[in-house]
Amino acid sequence: GQQVMQIPQYQHVQEGEDFTTYCNSSTTLSNIQWYKQRPGGHPVFLIQLVKSGEVKKQKRLTFQFGEAKKNSSLHITATQTTDVGTYFCAGKTRTGFQKLVFGTGTRLLVSP
Amino acid sequence: EADIYQTPRYLVIGTGKKITLECSQTMGHDKMYWYQQDPGMELHLIHYSYGVNSTEKGDLSSESTVSRIRTEHFPLTLESARPSHTSQYLCASSEYGGTARNEKLFFGSGTQLSVL
Repeated sequence: GQQVMQIPQYQHVQEGEDFTTYCNSSTTLSNIQWYKQRPGGHPVFLIQLVKSGEVKKQKRLTFQFGEAKKNSSLHITATQTTDVGTYFCAGKTRTGFQKLVFGTGTRLLVSP
Repeated sequence: EADIYQTPRYLVIGTGKKITLECSQTMGHDKMYWYQQDPGMELHLIHYSYGVNSTEKGDLSSESTVSRIRTEHFPLTLESARPSHTSQYLCASSEYGGTARNEKLFFGSGTQLSVL
């Protein structure tokens, strides 16, 4: 079945440093979504990417969708303590019933 | 913002008990989902529904069952709870368009289940 892997599994940065998480799918995706889950909380939708090579920005967050639509990345510039949490990508396949498959997640810890 | 509610927030029960986790949404969304998530781990889809009287099993085998008699309500039932069922259960909903391309999920706060 479809698998969506994220690396790294965990990253600890100092406040002000940059952070990137990578998402890789075993199959081509029709779109990809990103969610953030704060410790003890539930996932909250951040963004959706649909087009090959698409890049979207939300303040300090930059999201990219790969040309082959099998990978994606989330980059945070100058991390803040409020960025702490686990970031999940979720990809939807192009064939069959289109279900979202969540990635393995990257847990980010930011020290002040 | 999203109005999707799960009860109870925490539940501790003994082995063999029957339990029902409640999930309701007031957004009129057709599609609803149940995910299981262990601490710090990925989300696994266990059930989903397109709408009233529609229920499907997800990717992760589960001994639970669901029902969808009303659009807003999607309860999950465990007939006989076991310690292996200990986990967080997250309910979610989304609009279901014809293309199903823009399917933003709204999650409830989750039910943390502990089976002793």
